[in-house]
Amino acid sequence: ETGVTQSPTHLIKTRGQQVTLRCSSQSGHNTVSWYQQALGQGPQFIFQYYREEENGRGNFPPRFSGLQFPNYSSELNVNALELDDSALYLCASSLAQTSGGHEQYFGPGTRLTVT
Amino acid sequence: AQTVTQSQPEMSVQEAETVTLSCTYDTSESDYYLFWYKQPPSRQMILVIRQEAYKQQNATENRFSVNFQKAAKSFSLKISDSQLGDAAMYFCAYMLNSGYALNFGKGTSLLVTP
Repeated sequence: ETGVTQSPTHLIKTRGQQVTLRCSSQSGHNTVSWYQQALGQGPQFIFQYYREEENGRGNFPPRFSGLQFPNYSSELNVNALELDDSALYLCASSLAQTSGGHEQYFGPGTRLTVT
Repeated sequence: AQTVTQSQPEMSVQEAETVTLSCTYDTSESDYYLFWYKQPPSRQMILVIRQEAYKQQNATENRFSVNFQKAAKSFSLKISDSQLGDAAMYFCAYMLNSGYALNFGKGTSLLVTP
């Protein structure tokens, strides 16, 4: 069984630039969620993708966008980067069923630094 | 909105001893799930244990157990026979049964001393 993988591990961007982060879900999972974890804080939900559509969104502006592909992998795109976007970005995959509460399995994260 | 509070920023325990991490949450819903996640320095969030709100029996996973008090909206994690590898950040999280997002607390840093 292949776990959740994310790339890149770490990257540095300049304010105003755009960035794309990638995530491959665990085998057998069809749902991907993205979280932002600022230093010293718990993760904050950004959005979730299921069947290639956004299934739910947290309190993040539209410059945070995403995609899910037919193989259930996903991308997180952030436009017009701001200094406050510096954080660890976590991807989590799960198997959506009719009821919720299913475990989300996390990847190792991408550390984004905006200068 | 649901909030999760972890009132202990840091905890310390000696190897082989028992430690309890506290978590409270605020919700008006009755059908939800609670989780404890562990985040070691490697950054990868690892699921430790989960509890369904409709179950009165406390969940147990090997050395990890919870004390779930639904009326008090309390969900503490007990780690027995602590090991050096248990040192990590521990996050309490909540999810509605009908929802999709995990709501996390700010975490408790657990130090395990020899």
